Amino acid sequence: NAGVTQTPKFRVLKTGQSMTLLCAQDMNHEYMYWYRQDPGMGLRLIHYSVGEGTTAKGEVPDGYNVSRLKKQNFLLGLESAAPSQTSVYFCASSYAGTTEAFFGQGTRLTVV
Amino acid sequence: EDQVTQSPEALRLQEGESSSLNCSYTVSGLRGLFWYRQDPGKGPEFLFTLYSAGEEKEKERLKATLTKKESFLHITAPKPEDSATYLCASADSNYQLIWGAGTKLIIKP
Repeated sequence: NAGVTQTPKFRVLKTGQSMTLLCAQDMNHEYMYWYRQDPGMGLRLIHYSVGEGTTAKGEVPDGYNVSRLKKQNFLLGLESAAPSQTSVYFCASSYAGTTEAFFGQGTRLTVV
Repeated sequence: EDQVTQSPEALRLQEGESSSLNCSYTVSGLRGLFWYRQDPGKGPEFLFTLYSAGEEKEKERLKATLTKKESFLHITAPKPEDSATYLCASADSNYQLIWGAGTKLIIKP
């Protein structure tokens, strides 16, 4: 049982480049989330999805886009990377909005 | 503005020295208060959910409690393997989680 799997685990981008982070879950969860974690700050919600084909903005959505074409996958895209997007990104999934969330191992992204 | 504040930022204890971590929240329409543990280089791992004031939950050396304004994570006779960052989060009336910055707990043998 893999749980929540994120790829890649590490990435270095140049300013202006684009990339997609992939999140896959095998628990048949409806809810999926993308967070970023920066030193000294709490996890901040970027985008989330409450089901296949639906997405919604979180606290810090600017500069990111998402898609949930299949229930098990949630993709996070950066169209034009900026140094301010250097962070650790976590994907999570949950059965419902107030149930425990399961997190992936994280993606450490550095934009130079 | 909804907010979650954790204190202290870091806590160093000797093995066996009990203490408590604090999570203060100002969230309207609280739908749940969550505690997670995060080890270096890993994603957070769920510990507890509390839904109403007065509720308590226990797991091994950890006990979480909830009042109308704050939650405490009590750690009794900690061991070095309890060293981690402990995160709390509150779910607001829209079921969105608001996270604290965490408390880094270090247990020295």
